[in-house]
Amino acid sequence: KAGVTQTPRYLIKTRGQQVTLSCSPISGHRSVSWYQQTPGQGLQFLFEYFSETQRNKGNFPGRFSGRQFSNSRSEMNVSTLELGDSALYLCASSLVGRGANVLTFGAGSRLTVL
Amino acid sequence: LAKTTQPISMDSYEGQEVNITCSHNNIATNDYITWYQQFPSQGPRFIIQGYKTKVTNEVASLFIPADRKSSTLSLPRVSLSDTAVYYCLVGDGGSTLGRLYFGRGTQLTVWP
Repeated sequence: KAGVTQTPRYLIKTRGQQVTLSCSPISGHRSVSWYQQTPGQGLQFLFEYFSETQRNKGNFPGRFSGRQFSNSRSEMNVSTLELGDSALYLCASSLVGRGANVLTFGAGSRLTVL
Repeated sequence: LAKTTQPISMDSYEGQEVNITCSHNNIATNDYITWYQQFPSQGPRFIIQGYKTKVTNEVASLFIPADRKSSTLSLPRVSLSDTAVYYCLVGDGGSTLGRLYFGRGTQLTVWP
């Protein structure tokens, strides 16, 4: 079955612009979570969506937002980009149910802010 | 959510067994222990998951003592391609799934 698909894979923006990243989870997975990875901060949780509702949110400013559609696909948006937003943005999906669950990650979207 | 503590880095040689220990003193009753592997510019990939005692799959073993306050990932006979960052995560499968704490992980470097 198809894995988690993230688009675009690479993008370059300038300060002040906004960006939208897309994530298509594995079919049947209802939970989608987003992470930011930088060399300095490691892998940090942004937010998680489940059945179109944001269920968990990390410690990021309001410039970072997201949403999930009825087909479980998710988008995240970063407005008023700053140089420090340059990072690898990872999306993960999970089949949420009873017991343990495992995250399946996409390849990521590499954002460079100039 | 239980945070974890792992060594920042480890070195090994090809063919050796590597053991990476993770400390999770605040693990809760419902928490599972999951290990992920990450190569540069890729998303983390699931390696193994366990709740107690020992779990083994085709790539690794996971040892969990009775008190579950730590766990050890064992990689048998590593190769150069096992050079990666390894993350230990603790959490349950419910509403806290999305807030799993990855931390910095352990950079494993395998030398020829």
